[in-house]
Amino acid sequence: AAGVIQSPRHLIKEKRETATLKCYPIPRHDTVYWYQQGPGQDPQFLISFYEKMQSDKGSIPDRFSAQQFSDYHSELNMSSLELGDSALYFCASSSGQGLNEKLFFGSGTQLSVL
Amino acid sequence: AQSVAQPEDQVNVAEGNPLTVKCTYSVSGNPYLFWYVQYPNRGLQFLLKYITGDNLVKGSYGFEAEFNKSQTSFHLKKPSALVSDSALYFCAVRAGSGSARQLTFGSGTQLTVLP
Repeated sequence: AAGVIQSPRHLIKEKRETATLKCYPIPRHDTVYWYQQGPGQDPQFLISFYEKMQSDKGSIPDRFSAQQFSDYHSELNMSSLELGDSALYFCASSSGQGLNEKLFFGSGTQLSVL
Repeated sequence: AQSVAQPEDQVNVAEGNPLTVKCTYSVSGNPYLFWYVQYPNRGLQFLLKYITGDNLVKGSYGFEAEFNKSQTSFHLKKPSALVSDSALYFCAVRAGSGSARQLTFGSGTQLTVLP
């Protein structure tokens, strides 16, 4: 079965550069979530989209922005990168609500800022 | 605000013995509770969830979890541990009502099953 696809798997950037992370949800999933997991940390919610509209916002820095496109894929844009942005960035998708809701996570993009 | 506590950073258990990974939560209203497992350099994999119904939930790979409303706990259990169960386990919660659907994760518990 198709899973959540994230690209790239690994990304190396320097301080003050920009980065774009992509997420392709499972077909027919209408909701995408972005999480950031620092080294040895638990995943922290950044932002989510439902039907191409931002639905919730968590601890996402102002330097970051995201959107969900008409084909439901999502992109996380990160500017003025800082060393502390080095982390594993997960995307998750889901469909349904309430009893049927379950998040499926991608394998993540490992971002290293040098 | 919702929160999750996993009081143990590390749990060690011998293969074949039962295992328990603890989780307590705080959320407004009825909770939706989840367990995820993370292997090195991999994404989070869903194990099981509690939404409503029986307090004992059975999930993947022989894992189960018991929802205890009075103790606000959702401990993960397995009757007989395998070496391959060694991984990082995350408990997560979200409110069962309201528009916010994002999960809040605990800090994770590293499970090591010793042969």
